[in-house]
Amino acid sequence: EAGVAQSPRYKIIEKRQSVAFWCNPISGHATLYWYQQILGQGPKLLIQFQNNGVVDDSQLPKDRFSAERLKGVDSTLKIQPAKLEDSAVYLCASSLRRATDYEQYFGPGTRLTVT
Amino acid sequence: GENVEQHPSTLSVQEGDSAVIKCTYSDSASNYFPWYKQELGKRPQLIIDIRSNVGEKKDQRIAVTLNKTAKHFSLHITETQPEDSAVYFCAAYSGGYQKVTFGTGTKLQVIP
Repeated sequence: EAGVAQSPRYKIIEKRQSVAFWCNPISGHATLYWYQQILGQGPKLLIQFQNNGVVDDSQLPKDRFSAERLKGVDSTLKIQPAKLEDSAVYLCASSLRRATDYEQYFGPGTRLTVT
Repeated sequence: GENVEQHPSTLSVQEGDSAVIKCTYSDSASNYFPWYKQELGKRPQLIIDIRSNVGEKKDQRIAVTLNKTAKHFSLHITETQPEDSAVYFCAAYSGGYQKVTFGTGTKLQVIP
């Protein structure tokens, strides 16, 4: 089966600019996650969708970050305006989340550099 | 919310020795504990997981143990090989919607 797709793979922007990332999860996966991974740290959950509803966005900086999941499939994560500290890899993951299957499958990530 | 602490942050072992990484969690309702391996520049990949109704699980050279009373779980790698060198992350799932919290990671270096 095809894996989780993300684009772009790399993005360089200046601070105060806007940027958007796109994720296409594995077909049939109900749960979609966006993580921010700063170099040398563990993934930090930004937002979790169950189908097209938000389950958890407690760590999403809502003054500048927004995310949506259209029709319970693809998702976009937007940063507006970007700050230097937003430089990180943004990982998207999906899972079936049935009672016996919680495994998350990660996409390749988008490396964002804010200058 | 859940808090997951992971130790050590770095670990160097000689090839063939064992490596142990420990995570503690705060939410007693957490019920699923995966371990991920992340090689440099690559995405995290699940290597083993354990549910709260099981005390230990083994898969070849990798094992995970869970102590629910003490709220900690550990990753054990035996007969380490250079290809085991990577960053390892633990995670804990809790709550009705299975919110996930990752540990801070352990950089394992296996010295040939």
